[in-house]
Amino acid sequence: QQPVQSPQAVILREGEDAVINCSSSKALYSVHWYRQKHGEAPVFLMILLKGGEQKGHEKISASFNEKKQQSSLYLTASQLSYSGTYFCGTEKVNYGQNFVFGPGTRLSVLP
Amino acid sequence: EPEVTQTPSHQVTQMGQEVILRCVPISNHLYFYWYRQILGQKVEFLVSFYNNEISEKSEIFDDQFSVERPDGSNFTLKIRSTKLEDSAMYFCASSDGGAPEGKLFFGSGTQLSVL
Repeated sequence: QQPVQSPQAVILREGEDAVINCSSSKALYSVHWYRQKHGEAPVFLMILLKGGEQKGHEKISASFNEKKQQSSLYLTASQLSYSGTYFCGTEKVNYGQNFVFGPGTRLSVLP
Repeated sequence: EPEVTQTPSHQVTQMGQEVILRCVPISNHLYFYWYRQILGQKVEFLVSFYNNEISEKSEIFDDQFSVERPDGSNFTLKIRSTKLEDSAMYFCASSDGGAPEGKLFFGSGTQLSVL
Protein backbone atom coordinates (compact mmCIF):
# COMPACT_ATOMS: atom_id res chain seq x y z
CA GLN A 1 0.00 0.00 0.00
CA GLN A 2 1.43 3.30 -1.02
CA PRO A 3 1.35 6.28 1.32
CA VAL A 4 -1.15 9.09 0.77
CA GLN A 5 -0.06 12.68 0.28
CA SER A 6 -1.85 15.97 0.63
CA PRO A 7 -2.32 18.40 -0.89
CA GLN A 8 -1.97 17.27 -4.50
CA ALA A 9 -0.65 20.67 -5.54
CA VAL A 10 0.41 23.93 -3.92
CA ILE A 11 1.10 27.31 -5.46
CA LEU A 12 3.13 29.77 -3.40
CA ARG A 13 4.74 33.12 -3.72
CA GLU A 14 8.44 33.30 -2.97
CA GLY A 15 8.94 33.65 0.78
CA GLU A 16 5.72 31.89 1.77
CA ASP A 17 5.55 28.70 3.78
CA ALA A 18 4.00 25.35 2.90
CA VAL A 19 3.30 22.02 4.57
CA ILE A 20 3.05 18.72 2.74
CA ASN A 21 1.57 15.75 4.54
CA CYS A 22 2.17 12.05 4.12
CA SER A 23 0.22 9.31 5.84
CA SER A 24 -0.03 5.57 5.74
CA SER A 25 -2.62 3.00 6.71
CA LYS A 26 0.10 0.71 8.03
CA ALA A 27 2.84 1.08 10.60
CA LEU A 28 5.72 3.19 9.40
CA TYR A 29 9.31 2.42 10.31
CA SER A 30 10.75 5.28 8.38
CA VAL A 31 9.75 8.00 5.97
CA HIS A 32 11.84 9.33 3.14
CA TRP A 33 11.31 12.60 1.32
CA TYR A 34 12.44 13.22 -2.23
CA ARG A 35 12.06 16.14 -4.62
CA GLN A 36 11.76 15.76 -8.36
CA LYS A 37 12.16 18.70 -10.68
CA HIS A 38 10.51 18.57 -14.06
CA GLY A 39 12.30 16.20 -16.40
CA GLU A 40 14.80 15.11 -13.77
CA ALA A 41 15.27 12.19 -11.41
CA PRO A 42 14.05 12.30 -7.80
CA VAL A 43 16.64 13.65 -5.38
CA PHE A 44 16.89 12.61 -1.78
CA LEU A 45 16.01 15.22 0.85
CA MET A 46 15.89 13.39 4.16
CA ILE A 47 15.01 10.24 6.08
CA LEU A 48 13.12 10.18 9.34
CA LEU A 49 13.53 7.07 11.45
CA LYS A 50 12.02 7.70 14.85
CA GLY A 51 8.64 8.83 16.08
CA GLY A 52 8.49 12.59 16.48
CA GLU A 53 11.89 13.05 14.93
CA GLN A 54 12.50 16.25 13.05
CA LYS A 55 15.17 16.89 10.53
CA GLY A 56 16.16 19.79 8.40
CA HIS A 57 17.62 20.41 5.00
CA GLU A 58 18.22 24.05 4.12
CA LYS A 59 14.92 25.70 5.11
CA ILE A 60 13.08 22.44 4.66
CA SER A 61 12.32 20.35 7.70
CA ALA A 62 10.15 17.35 8.42
CA SER A 63 8.54 15.56 11.29
CA PHE A 64 7.53 11.97 11.74
CA ASN A 65 4.79 10.85 14.09
CA GLU A 66 5.12 7.11 14.25
CA LYS A 67 1.96 6.60 16.29
CA LYS A 68 -0.17 8.55 13.86
CA GLN A 69 1.64 7.00 10.90
CA GLN A 70 2.17 10.46 9.49
CA SER A 71 4.95 12.67 8.34
CA SER A 72 4.91 16.32 7.38
CA LEU A 73 7.36 18.29 5.29
CA TYR A 74 7.70 21.99 6.14
CA LEU A 75 9.02 24.44 3.58
CA THR A 76 9.86 27.76 5.17
CA ALA A 77 10.37 31.02 3.29
CA SER A 78 10.15 29.15 0.01
CA GLN A 79 12.54 29.90 -2.81
CA LEU A 80 12.01 29.54 -6.55
CA SER A 81 14.33 26.54 -6.46
CA TYR A 82 11.89 24.67 -4.23
CA SER A 83 9.51 24.17 -7.14
CA GLY A 84 9.05 20.54 -8.05
CA THR A 85 7.14 17.46 -7.03
CA TYR A 86 7.69 16.17 -3.53
CA PHE A 87 7.34 12.47 -2.84
CA CYS A 88 7.27 10.73 0.47
CA GLY A 89 8.32 7.12 0.50
CA THR A 90 8.11 4.20 2.84
CA GLU A 91 9.13 0.58 2.76
CA LYS A 92 6.33 -1.91 2.38
CA VAL A 93 7.51 -4.13 5.21
CA ASN A 94 9.96 -3.56 7.99
CA TYR A 95 13.46 -3.91 6.63
CA GLY A 96 11.97 -4.94 3.34
CA GLN A 97 13.33 -3.73 0.06
CA ASN A 98 10.01 -2.76 -1.45
CA PHE A 99 10.27 0.99 -1.18
CA VAL A 100 7.12 2.73 -2.40
CA PHE A 101 6.41 6.38 -3.03
CA GLY A 102 3.30 8.43 -2.49
CA PRO A 103 1.57 10.05 -5.46
CA GLY A 104 3.49 13.29 -5.02
CA THR A 105 2.68 16.91 -4.24
CA ARG A 106 3.42 19.42 -6.97
CA LEU A 107 4.82 22.64 -5.53
CA SER A 108 5.07 25.76 -7.64
CA VAL A 109 6.84 28.79 -6.23
CA LEU A 110 6.15 31.98 -8.11
CA PRO A 111 8.21 35.18 -7.94
CA GLU B 1 30.15 13.26 -6.45
CA PRO B 2 29.45 9.65 -7.43
CA GLU B 3 26.33 9.15 -9.47
CA VAL B 4 24.14 6.47 -10.95
CA THR B 5 24.49 6.29 -14.73
CA GLN B 6 21.76 5.05 -17.06
CA THR B 7 21.91 4.28 -20.76
CA PRO B 8 20.39 4.94 -23.15
CA SER B 9 18.64 8.17 -22.21
CA HIS B 10 15.95 7.45 -24.79
CA GLN B 11 14.84 4.16 -26.31
CA VAL B 12 12.23 3.75 -29.01
CA THR B 13 11.05 0.26 -29.81
CA GLN B 14 8.28 -1.58 -31.58
CA MET B 15 5.65 -3.42 -29.60
CA GLY B 16 6.72 -7.02 -29.00
CA GLN B 17 10.42 -6.27 -29.17
CA GLU B 18 12.86 -6.89 -26.35
CA VAL B 19 14.66 -4.00 -24.70
CA ILE B 20 17.49 -3.88 -22.21
CA LEU B 21 17.93 -0.83 -20.04
CA ARG B 22 21.32 -0.42 -18.47
CA CYS B 23 22.45 1.11 -15.22
CA VAL B 24 25.78 1.54 -13.51
CA PRO B 25 25.09 2.00 -9.79
CA ILE B 26 27.40 3.84 -7.42
CA SER B 27 30.38 1.58 -6.93
CA ASN B 28 30.18 0.80 -3.21
CA HIS B 29 26.41 0.44 -3.13
CA LEU B 30 24.86 -2.94 -2.48
CA TYR B 31 21.15 -2.39 -3.02
CA PHE B 32 19.72 -1.74 -6.44
CA TYR B 33 16.27 -0.77 -7.62
CA TRP B 34 14.23 -0.15 -10.73
CA TYR B 35 11.33 2.26 -10.75
CA ARG B 36 9.19 3.58 -13.54
CA GLN B 37 7.22 6.75 -13.97
CA ILE B 38 4.53 7.24 -16.57
CA LEU B 39 4.44 10.86 -17.65
CA GLY B 40 3.01 13.08 -14.94
CA GLN B 41 2.29 10.21 -12.62
CA LYS B 42 3.80 8.69 -9.52
CA VAL B 43 7.11 6.88 -9.25
CA GLU B 44 6.27 3.16 -9.17
CA PHE B 45 8.43 0.50 -7.59
CA LEU B 46 9.33 -2.39 -9.87
CA VAL B 47 12.03 -4.46 -8.20
CA SER B 48 14.84 -4.43 -5.69
CA PHE B 49 18.02 -6.48 -5.91
CA TYR B 50 20.54 -7.40 -3.26
CA ASN B 51 23.26 -10.01 -3.01
CA ASN B 52 22.75 -11.06 -6.62
CA GLU B 53 19.11 -11.84 -6.29
CA ILE B 54 15.74 -10.16 -6.35
CA SER B 55 14.69 -9.21 -2.84
CA GLU B 56 11.30 -7.68 -3.62
CA LYS B 57 9.18 -7.12 -6.69
CA SER B 58 5.89 -5.43 -7.37
CA GLU B 59 2.82 -6.65 -9.21
CA ILE B 60 4.03 -4.74 -12.25
CA PHE B 61 7.17 -6.85 -12.43
CA ASP B 62 5.68 -9.85 -14.19
CA ASP B 63 7.32 -12.58 -16.24
CA GLN B 64 8.09 -10.12 -19.04
CA PHE B 65 10.59 -8.36 -16.80
CA SER B 66 13.95 -9.58 -15.56
CA VAL B 67 16.97 -8.03 -13.91
CA GLU B 68 20.56 -9.00 -13.94
CA ARG B 69 23.88 -7.87 -12.61
CA PRO B 70 26.05 -9.54 -15.23
CA ASP B 71 29.51 -8.27 -14.37
CA GLY B 72 29.56 -6.74 -10.91
CA SER B 73 29.11 -3.19 -12.14
CA ASN B 74 26.16 -3.08 -14.53
CA PHE B 75 22.58 -3.62 -13.45
CA THR B 76 20.14 -4.27 -16.27
CA LEU B 77 16.40 -4.39 -16.70
CA LYS B 78 15.11 -6.49 -19.58
CA ILE B 79 11.60 -6.34 -20.93
CA ARG B 80 11.10 -9.40 -23.10
CA SER B 81 8.12 -8.42 -25.21
CA THR B 82 7.26 -4.78 -24.85
CA LYS B 83 3.69 -3.50 -24.73
CA LEU B 84 2.38 -0.04 -25.39
CA GLU B 85 1.72 0.43 -21.69
CA ASP B 86 5.41 -0.13 -20.92
CA SER B 87 6.11 3.33 -22.27
CA ALA B 88 7.48 5.29 -19.33
CA MET B 89 10.58 6.77 -17.79
CA TYR B 90 12.56 4.02 -16.09
CA PHE B 91 14.77 5.02 -13.19
CA CYS B 92 17.51 2.95 -11.69
CA ALA B 93 18.50 3.67 -8.10
CA SER B 94 21.12 2.39 -5.74
CA SER B 95 21.67 2.59 -2.02
CA ASP B 96 24.48 1.80 0.38
CA GLY B 97 21.99 0.56 2.96
CA GLY B 98 18.77 -1.32 2.87
CA ALA B 99 15.46 0.00 4.09
CA PRO B 100 14.70 1.74 6.32
CA GLU B 101 17.90 3.75 6.47
CA GLY B 102 19.41 3.60 3.03
CA LYS B 103 18.79 6.65 0.92
CA LEU B 104 18.23 6.13 -2.75
CA PHE B 105 20.38 7.72 -5.42
CA PHE B 106 18.59 7.84 -8.75
CA GLY B 107 19.98 7.82 -12.24
CA SER B 108 18.68 10.33 -14.77
CA GLY B 109 16.40 7.75 -16.33
CA THR B 110 15.71 6.05 -19.64
CA GLN B 111 12.66 7.26 -21.52
CA LEU B 112 11.15 4.18 -23.17
CA SER B 113 8.68 4.69 -25.98
CA VAL B 114 6.87 1.63 -27.32
CA LEU B 115 5.23 2.14 -30.70
